[in-house]
Amino acid sequence: QSALTQPPSASGSPGQSVTISCTGTSSDVGGYNYVSWYQQHPGKAPKLMVYEVSKRPSGVPDRFSGSKSGNTASLTVSGLQAEDEADYYCSSFAGSNNVVFGGGTKLTVL
Amino acid sequence: EVQLLESGGGLVQPGGSLRLSCAASGFTFSSYAMNWVRQAPGKGLEWVSAISGSGDSTYCADSVKGRLTISRDNSKKMMYLQMNSLRAEDTAVYYCAKGLSSGWFPWFDPWGQGTLVTVSS
Repeated sequence: QSALTQPPSASGSPGQSVTISCTGTSSDVGGYNYVSWYQQHPGKAPKLMVYEVSKRPSGVPDRFSGSKSGNTASLTVSGLQAEDEADYYCSSFAGSNNVVFGGGTKLTVL
Repeated sequence: EVQLLESGGGLVQPGGSLRLSCAASGFTFSSYAMNWVRQAPGKGLEWVSAISGSGDSTYCADSVKGRLTISRDNSKKMMYLQMNSLRAEDTAVYYCAKGLSSGWFPWFDPWGQGTLVTVSS
């Protein structure tokens, strides 16, 4: 059982937008603006896509955006492209120098 | 280009020990916190441990506290994870991941390709 709850799957057609949710509690997602999102292609290492809720590292397309409301964080992928098909994981600071992850969402581009 | 290369994984019996290494290049190693994150086969990600750029501060998940110890040698641009009293549930790919600053924050970029640790008799 992961600490953060993500839907197991999400999908969209090329060009469409899809939003992946990440639900925690007031002890993690809701308590800190320390949410990040990672993309992982099969057999590859994860890649940071969003950090501190909505900041993008250099090189990450602005099609990827993050937000948070209460205990739920979201990652929106706009203008879906075939290469966006991957697993996506959210994570949050959870106090006491602890980090928790979601169980992951498999994004399929139809 | 930032590069992180893990090594030291392998098959170990329950109760055994292993030391993982992470060789860093392409950045000023001592200026960045570093982390270990693991992923059990077919499962999600689990943060394991972190160390500040200077090495003065370390952080550890409760699940591994007292058994896994992180360290670094800035002169060699190396980070280590000493793993003792290993259990079957420690079986995972262990990733080395760079922080974005000297102080520790809970985000990691980039990651190495990982090294597989299998705990089994």
